[in-house]
Amino acid sequence: ILNVEQSPQSLHVQEGDSTNFTCSFPSSNFYALHWYRWETAKSPEALFVMTLNGDEKKKGRISATLNTKEGYSYLYIKGSQPEDSATYLCVRNQAGTALIFGKGTTLSVSS
Amino acid sequence: EAGVAQSPRYKIIEKRQSVAFWCNPISGHATLYWYQQILGQGPKLLIQFQNNGVVDDSQLPKDRFSAERLKGVDSTLKIQPAKLEDSAVYLCASSSVRHYGYTFGSGTRLTVV
Repeated sequence: ILNVEQSPQSLHVQEGDSTNFTCSFPSSNFYALHWYRWETAKSPEALFVMTLNGDEKKKGRISATLNTKEGYSYLYIKGSQPEDSATYLCVRNQAGTALIFGKGTTLSVSS
Repeated sequence: EAGVAQSPRYKIIEKRQSVAFWCNPISGHATLYWYQQILGQGPKLLIQFQNNGVVDDSQLPKDRFSAERLKGVDSTLKIQPAKLEDSAVYLCASSSVRHYGYTFGSGTRLTVV
């Protein structure tokens, strides 16, 4: 895998549903993996940065895991709310280089 | 701390016109990035500055795009002349060498008609 791949591209869930997204990335020369939340017309907001294989991070109802050996990360949202509607970007960087973005997963939560 | 400031927020121009975007990074952040995000795609790096020097501009269409970061602080990105396919959100970000975090501005949405 040369690029950062995210799936699904878009997702529509009902309020209260739990959901998860996948990010796949090149495992060689790994430095850090970031998850950003981006709402339209706003700045991308950093959710997590993970650096170690097996890292698990949690922020409220959102959590993420990291597997650097096989090159994937999962983002979980428990009990989705309408305010969770946004595009979730998975971003990888190697030491000293710019971020490489996935295309994002756009989540829509309806009440 | 203040965030990354970008202006303008929105811009509509006709093709073949010129346009310039401005970015003021987080104070003390040595590295500044310009990204282009076309609808349906992930942000793509256009240029990376370290202080006032260019680190990576391999994906910058140099025939029409230019960028500068005088004095290693503010930066401007210019498009001359603009094409329809330049319609996108232009994001500026900055980072410090001491941590992993990157801070983004809210972007400039350019529409070329």
